[in-house]
Formats: sequence, C-alpha cells, structure tokens
Amino acid sequence: LAKTTQPISMDSYEGQEVNITCSHNNIATNDYITWYQQFPSQGPRFIIQGYKTKVTNEVASLFIPADRKSSTLSLPRVSLSDTAVYYCLVAYDNYGQNFVFGPGTRLSVLP
Amino acid sequence: GAGVSQSPSNKVTEKGKDVELRCDPISGHTALYWYRQRLGQGLEFLIYFQGNSAPDKSGLPSDRFSAERTGESVSTLTIQRTQQEDSAVYLCASSLTVRSVSPLHFGNGTRLTVT
Repeated sequence: LAKTTQPISMDSYEGQEVNITCSHNNIATNDYITWYQQFPSQGPRFIIQGYKTKVTNEVASLFIPADRKSSTLSLPRVSLSDTAVYYCLVAYDNYGQNFVFGPGTRLSVLP
Repeated sequence: GAGVSQSPSNKVTEKGKDVELRCDPISGHTALYWYRQRLGQGLEFLIYFQGNSAPDKSGLPSDRFSAERTGESVSTLTIQRTQQEDSAVYLCASSLTVRSVSPLHFGNGTRLTVT
C-alpha cells in the first residue's frame, strides 16, 4: 500500500492561493492520486484526481511531478468556506483496504 | 440526482444494546463502503461490498460488528452489545465500480453515541 504524508494543519487568509503537498514515495505504477475535502458533520467530498502532470477543474488544480512521489493540491483564492480537512489518497483501485484515508490536512482560512 | 443517504443521522443508545445503521447508495453503484470516524480523527475502513458480497471484512473491529447488503442496494451495519468505544460517526460511501479508482460518494454519516 502506498503511504501518504501530509501536513497536519495549515492556516491561510481569504483571497490567498493555498498549496497542500502530499508525499507518497512508494507510489506504484498504476496508482492514481485523489483528493477529498471534508467539512464538519459531513462525509468527505471528491475534489480532484490525477495520474501525472497537471489536472485542473472548477475548484482546484493538482500538480504531479514526473517521478510522482508527491502531489500538490492548489486552491486558488480561498474563502472562509474552504476551511475543511483535505485528504490525499493513493490507490489503483477501490478494493477495501487499498483505499485508506490518512489523518488529512486541516486547513483554516482566516478573514 | 439523489446522493448517498444514511439513517438515522443520530443514534443514542445504552451500552449493551444492539444498533442497526442503514445506507442507501447511489442507484447503479456496485461498490459500497463503511468507514468509522472518531472525533477529530481520520477515516477507519470497516468493510466493503462488491455487489452483495463482502470480499474484505478485515477492517471490522470485532465480531460484534456485521454488515450485509441486499439487492445490490441497501446496506445495514449492525453493532451488537454496543460499547462506549463504539461511539463515532459511521460513514457510508458508494462508487460506480471497484475496478478503477472511481470517486467515492459519501453520505453524511450516522453519529452513534453509546451511553
């Protein structure tokens, strides 16, 4: 199983760009990288997924270097409503234990 | 369309009682997952279903925990003889398939409090 390491917490201010980096040194060839966001009293919500290079959608960008040993979730111009826990997952399928959530990064956006 | 629905949203029970937690996945999703999340912690995998079968039960904490799924739809997680350490939020998720990394769609969970 690929193990991931993320910062436990981060602080930012409204309007700033936030980058959260996840390390996954033993990522396997077929593994995908997926990020989820969790607000209090809610289940996690899918944000973005990628395999290599860069992926962008309406809420975030995901940067993956050539060696794929890390990935960076980029949130442009954060607002107070982006305060949440962000999880990085590395897996090649959804078989049970292969899809393991770590403790995540608690992002606090300050006014 | 409808998302993953869990019921009840909150459950308070006395130690030693049995509880049943229900999950209604998104229609057509063949995979279904149960996770447990203690206060301020990450998600702990419990069990997953592929169709109505549970290939991996290794995450269930003890034999007091069991789960079933019927009709490739509704799933029930049952906890027998509840203990205080069972207090947590139980989250259910479904995905289109397990054969590729399909995004998981989560419900908002059932908050279980054992007194």
